[in-house]
Order: sequence, then C-alpha cells, then structure tokens
Amino acid sequence: AQTVTQSQPEMSVQEAETVTLSCTYDTSENNYYLFWYKQPPSRQMILVIRQEAYKQQNATENRFSVNFQKAAKSFSLKISDSQLGDTAMYFCAFMKHRGNQGGKLIFGQGTELSVKP
Amino acid sequence: DTAVSQTPKYLVTQMGNDKSIKCEQNLGHDTMYWYKQDSKKFLKIMFSYNNKELIINETVPNRFSPKSPDKAHLNLHINSLELGDSAVYFCASSPTSGRASETQYFGPGTRLLVL
Repeated sequence: AQTVTQSQPEMSVQEAETVTLSCTYDTSENNYYLFWYKQPPSRQMILVIRQEAYKQQNATENRFSVNFQKAAKSFSLKISDSQLGDTAMYFCAFMKHRGNQGGKLIFGQGTELSVKP
Repeated sequence: DTAVSQTPKYLVTQMGNDKSIKCEQNLGHDTMYWYKQDSKKFLKIMFSYNNKELIINETVPNRFSPKSPDKAHLNLHINSLELGDSAVYFCASSPTSGRASETQYFGPGTRLLVL
C-alpha cells in the first residue's frame, strides 16, 4: 500500500523569504502522479502543483516549484518570495495512474505553514 | 462560474438522523469523488464514480451511500448518523483526458457536526 509522509507538522517563514516543505512517499508503482494542495483557513482545497512521475523535469508554477527525486521517493515543495496569503495547511498527495478512470489521492498528514510579516 | 459546488456548507444534526450532501460540477469531468477530513485534518477517500459507475469504494460503513444521477452530480446520503461522522466532507472531480487529466478539483467542503 502506498503511504505519504510529511515530517514537518508546522513551519514558519518571514514574508519574502523562501521555504521548503518536505514530503516522502512509499510505492512500488512506476507510473503515478504527485500533487501539492493548499488549504487556507477558508477550508477550500486548492491545487498548487502537479508532477507526473515519468517526467524528469521538476514542475514549476510561478513562485512554487518542486524537487522531485524519484529514486529517493521524495517530493518537496519550495515557495519563493513567501506572501502572507501563502499561510495555509499544505498537503502532499500521491495517486497511482489508473488510465481513464481517475484514481484515489493518498494524502500526507499536512504541514501548517505560517508566513510572518 | 462555480466549478465544484456542495450543499449545504454546514450541517448540524442529531445522532440517529439521516442526512444528504449534494455535489455538482460544471467542468464536464467524468469522475467524481467523496473525501472525508477528520478533526486532525487527515483526508481520506471514501468513494469515486466514473460516468455514473462506482469504481472506488473504500472501507466505509454501509450507512454511507453515494448516488450519481448523472455525470455532473454525486450525492452522499448518510443514515443513522453517529458522533464519529462529524467531519468535513469534500467532493472533487477530475477529467480523464487532456492536459489536466487525473487532477482533482475540490468543492468548498461541507462541515458536518453530529450532536
């Protein structure tokens, strides 16, 4: 069974600085997806970034980038130029590729990030 | 403009009651899901439907019954509510083709409190 581990329950960062959130996962699958979702106090689950396992290039979305290390089964999220609006719970998630039927997301425990002014 | 919507947003009810949560998506996606987020914020899948067919059914008490009348709707009915059912329930949907395939988009959540 797949598992996802986020070893940092809480983190804080000063506004405009850079922070990295860790995520490791365990799977015997070769074809899968990894995601980071953000959940601000509003409770909405917002997709931050997605990575296909077959792609060696790390995904980036504006200030958000990942460091995907497939052999090490590591998928960390880097947030550059942190903003107050980045304050949220961040979830790392794994999904096995299921073709055209969709698949279940397996979530980590979450990291509560506080951006301080 | 809403992508994935859920009603109601809040639900307070007594133990033993039966309640339903509705979910609708206007994204044209083929697959819809229900997730439960417990008091420690841990998220776990409950069900998934693809084109109105049940494809994922995790270990969930049979008091929970999903129903998908069409591709755009997935409702969750809960019988004989228990205190442990208190949680936030999220609906999500995903396309099964195209650039964003298999990316799940979530609704705003329904906070259920059983007294």
